[in-house]
Amino acid sequence: GNSVTQMEGPVTLSEEAFLTINCTYTATGYPSLFWYVQYPGEGLQLLLKATKADDKGSNKGFEATYRKETTSFHLEKGSVQVSDSAVYFCALSSGGYNKLIFGAGTRLAVHP
Amino acid sequence: DSGVTQTPKHLITATGQRVTLRCSPRSGDLSVYWYQQSLDQGLQFLIQYYNGEERAKGNILERFSAQQFPDLHSELNLSSLELGDSALYFCASSVETEQFFGPGTRLTVL
Repeated sequence: GNSVTQMEGPVTLSEEAFLTINCTYTATGYPSLFWYVQYPGEGLQLLLKATKADDKGSNKGFEATYRKETTSFHLEKGSVQVSDSAVYFCALSSGGYNKLIFGAGTRLAVHP
Repeated sequence: DSGVTQTPKHLITATGQRVTLRCSPRSGDLSVYWYQQSLDQGLQFLIQYYNGEERAKGNILERFSAQQFPDLHSELNLSSLELGDSALYFCASSVETEQFFGPGTRLTVL
């Protein structure tokens, strides 16, 4: 079945450090890929998405490229801020009904 | 603010009881999804409705049921509650591939 695997956290970084959160997937067909972010006490917000191979999603300085050959969708940011501290979820949807399958989530803590 | 509303925000109840969680989708969105977020199982898809009809089912227990009404709001009914049902329940609505999530209902079963 379809599944998403993302690196375990927590990831702890200093402000302005480079961020990478790894995400790989298993899916039949051609899934759409997403990164969602959950700030403390809040619901999930879509951070970025990519719907086909080699697409790059980007938003708020975050980027991820849909790599079909490595079945990956790693999240990167060149310079993190304290306000980026949150839990990040990689997800995919496949098939006709768009239900999302999530990874386990990676907690990011950024210190000044 | 995603435009998706959920009530109540918190719910505390006892084992064996029944509760109803409510979700109002964004204006114009026909699809509603329910997800459960728990510490041991992570975020799991439960069920999807589209314009009043059930579209897809995930890991939803038989004790749980849902429906979508003509005004497109949805309710998730959880019955014979167990301690393990304690979780955050999210509703999302969508147009095409992008889903917008509500703030969630935190259910605590004592």
